[in-house]
Amino acid sequence: AQSVTQLGSHVSVSEGALVLLRCNYSSSVPPYLFWYVQYPNQGLQLLLKYTSAATLVKGINGFEAEFKKSETSFHLTKPSAHMSDAAEYFCAVSKAQKLVFGQGTRLTINP
Amino acid sequence: KAGVTQTPRYLIKTRGQQVTLSCSPISGHRSVSWYQQTPGQGLQFLFEYFSETQRNKGNFPGRFSGRQFSNSRSEMNVSTLELGDSALYLCASSMSGQGSTDTQYFGPGTRLTVL
Repeated sequence: AQSVTQLGSHVSVSEGALVLLRCNYSSSVPPYLFWYVQYPNQGLQLLLKYTSAATLVKGINGFEAEFKKSETSFHLTKPSAHMSDAAEYFCAVSKAQKLVFGQGTRLTINP
Repeated sequence: KAGVTQTPRYLIKTRGQQVTLSCSPISGHRSVSWYQQTPGQGLQFLFEYFSETQRNKGNFPGRFSGRQFSNSRSEMNVSTLELGDSALYLCASSMSGQGSTDTQYFGPGTRLTVL
């Protein structure tokens, strides 16, 4: 069965520091992976998606993720955190017309 | 292009009542999916509709149902509400839902509180 695991339900970084949010997937076939962000009282916004075209995927707001098959990982990074990045982030794998989400990682930015 | 819209945004009901939530997809999108988000269970898939047909269903009781209209708008209904149905209900639309790469775009959600 396809699933994703997000390591760390809470991550806290200082403004200007590197952001690293971890996601590992479990899939018997090449997966299609997504990162979404959710701001308070809002729906989910797509940050980026992996569809096997390139292992390094660039998304919106300066985020990027690298697909590593050998590590079954799809970690999300941003070189320099901004206060506006504070939100909850979800990794998801697509199976047919269904998204299977990880439990989410709440990112806090310290001034 | 307007995004996915959901109405109402907030809803308060009591146990035993029923509720209907509405979702209007992005223009041109024909696939609509529904998800339930709770602090305990996270984001869980409810069902997906395409061309007025349910194509996929999650592991929820029969009290949860949905439908899609010819203009792709969708509604979901929950009958005999329970306290545990309190959640944020998210609707997502995609072009065709064909293949796993089709991106789903989410609405702002309907926050349902059951008292």
